[in-house]
Amino acid sequence: DTAVSQTPKYLVTQMGNDKSIKCEQNLGHDTMYWYKQDSKKFLKIMFSYNNKELIINETVPNRFSPKSPDKAHLNLHINSLELGDSAVYFCASSHTHYEQYFGPGTRLTVT
Amino acid sequence: KQEVTQIPAALSVPEGENLVLNCSFTDSAIYNLQWFRQDPGKGLTSLLLIQSSQREQTSGRLNASLDKSSGRSTLYIAASQPGDSATYLCAVPLGGNTGKLIFGQGTTLQVKP
Repeated sequence: DTAVSQTPKYLVTQMGNDKSIKCEQNLGHDTMYWYKQDSKKFLKIMFSYNNKELIINETVPNRFSPKSPDKAHLNLHINSLELGDSAVYFCASSHTHYEQYFGPGTRLTVT
Repeated sequence: KQEVTQIPAALSVPEGENLVLNCSFTDSAIYNLQWFRQDPGKGLTSLLLIQSSQREQTSGRLNASLDKSSGRSTLYIAASQPGDSATYLCAVPLGGNTGKLIFGQGTTLQVKP
């Protein structure tokens, strides 16, 4: 009964490729998030979706696009991957202003 | 602009010791503060969430306090165990209706047997 799940766990790809990371939560939360953890382990918010509407769009390149087919899913599409995109990407969910629950992370390596 | 700082960056203690991790934030207008644990190569596990109206929260051997006026929170771990070894992160929401969490850099704890 996993609360927040992500697939894949590891993703190795070449520069220029397009890839997607999927996230699902079964907690009934109304808000989902994508965070990026860089090589120095610093976590930074990328996107947030509330009831299928984008409410945060941090200063990330437009090569990154979140897509939410329904309240329980928030996928991350990345076009034209670059070396600097290598990081661990975490999905999270919450009821707004309440405790956030994180997925296990997807380690993306761009070669 | 909200900034979150955690001190120390790393801490090594012998098993059984009580310890305190510190978190400070620059903007005291927060809804809550959340403490997380991250094991190497793993995701984040929520430990405690303190609402802005609360001064502390307890869960087992963990006790988190919040002093909004001074922009500080502490995580107290009693009778530390080797299994407590991990990176501990604090985070505060930026405000408004965004739910955006601003994280500190974390404190990496090692508890030696």
